[in-house]
Formats: sequence, C-alpha cells, structure tokens
Amino acid sequence: EVQLVESGGGLVQPGGSLRLSCAASGFSFRTYDMNWVRQAPGKGLEWVSYISTNGDTMYYADSVKGRFSISRDNAKNSLYLQVNSLRAEDTAVYYCAREVHGPDYYGSGPPKYFDPWGQGTLVTVSS
Amino acid sequence: DIQMTQSPSALPASVGDTVTISCRASQSISNHLNWYQQKSGKAPNLLVYAASSLQSGVSSRFRGRGSGTDFTLTISSLQPEDFATYYCQQTYSAPPLTFGGGTKVEIK
Repeated sequence: EVQLVESGGGLVQPGGSLRLSCAASGFSFRTYDMNWVRQAPGKGLEWVSYISTNGDTMYYADSVKGRFSISRDNAKNSLYLQVNSLRAEDTAVYYCAREVHGPDYYGSGPPKYFDPWGQGTLVTVSS
Repeated sequence: DIQMTQSPSALPASVGDTVTISCRASQSISNHLNWYQQKSGKAPNLLVYAASSLQSGVSSRFRGRGSGTDFTLTISSLQPEDFATYYCQQTYSAPPLTFGGGTKVEIK
C-alpha cells in the first residue's frame, strides 16, 4: 500500500523551530518529486514547498521563503521540512504529498497531480 | 502567479441532486487542472486529474470538464459520502502550484 506518514508537529512559541518528517512506504520514493502543503484551521489548501527526486531543485511559497527548508533522504524513504522563525500565521496542518506525472497526450507537458497525501501533522504557533 | 477562483464557496444540496462546481484560472492552463475532495478532519483525496481523467477507484458520478481557463466538476446523484469540500489545483505553472479557495457541498 502506498502510504505517507507525517510526524514532528507540535506546539511551539513564536520564533521557534520544528523539523517535520514524512515517511514514505509502498513505492519507489527516490523516483518521485515531493511536496508539502498546509492548511490553516478552517481555511483552504496552500502549497508550501517542492523538492525534485534527487533533491537538487527546491521551490518555496513566498510566505515561507527564507524560513523553511525542504530536504529528503532517499536511503531512508523520508521527506523533511525544517520550519524556522515560526509565526502565528504558520499554524496549520502540514501535509506531505507525492507528485505524480501522467502521460502527455496533448503535447502541453505531462499532467501533474498530488497522490497520495499523508494524514497531516499539526503545527501550532502560540505563546 | 496563476490565481484560481472557485464558485460557489458553499453549495447546499440534497441526496440525489446533481451539482456543478466551477473553477476559473487567471490565465490559460491548458488541461493542467486537478480536483480533490476533502472530508472533515481528513487529508485531501484526488478525484480528477488533467481536467477530465478520473482517478482509479473514484466513482463515475464525478466528472471533470474544461480547458484553458474554465473548468467544472459535476457530481451526479449526490450520495451521503459526497458531502465534503472540493478544491481545484492548477499544475501548469510552478512555483507555486495554486489551489482554488474550495467549495463546501453541504446538506440542504
């Protein structure tokens, strides 16, 4: 079974740090790009960060650039998100998601989609 | 950045109804549009990718259509398990891969 399991969330004071982890199983982790997506309480989905298969390409949302760092360990089938300088507005459930590339039937580039998602880990930033 | 606008934000409906959710992109995204379902307290689940391709295991009551800037997700014969929040996502231009604001299909 393809599965992603996040951990590492918790209550942290403003300005604090956490390291979120995502353990992958049931598929060849090293062959998939990966993403982090977050959801603030009662709000919609916000893409946070992306990392390529070998870790040489990374992207970040403007809202977290310079404070968050994505990484992966393909030998351990694990994805990470180091979150620093946390603010109240970073309070959210953080999901990891596998990025799948479909066949390019129309010549407009391969479609991409997120499947599956992990169950999420809650980060609460509060004093 | 490409902005994704979903409408309506809430959609009251009854079991057996057919409902349609709209998603509009701020610029053409070809067919690079996905739909996800999220039930309360759970992670999102992929329903449709590439605008109209049904994910394996997803009921044929779900149908995605559209290309360019305008897309729809239609749910036929609503079932109790379909009451949830639905999100569109564009994957044409990144970063960022943007989501719509969500549409909550709720019991009328």
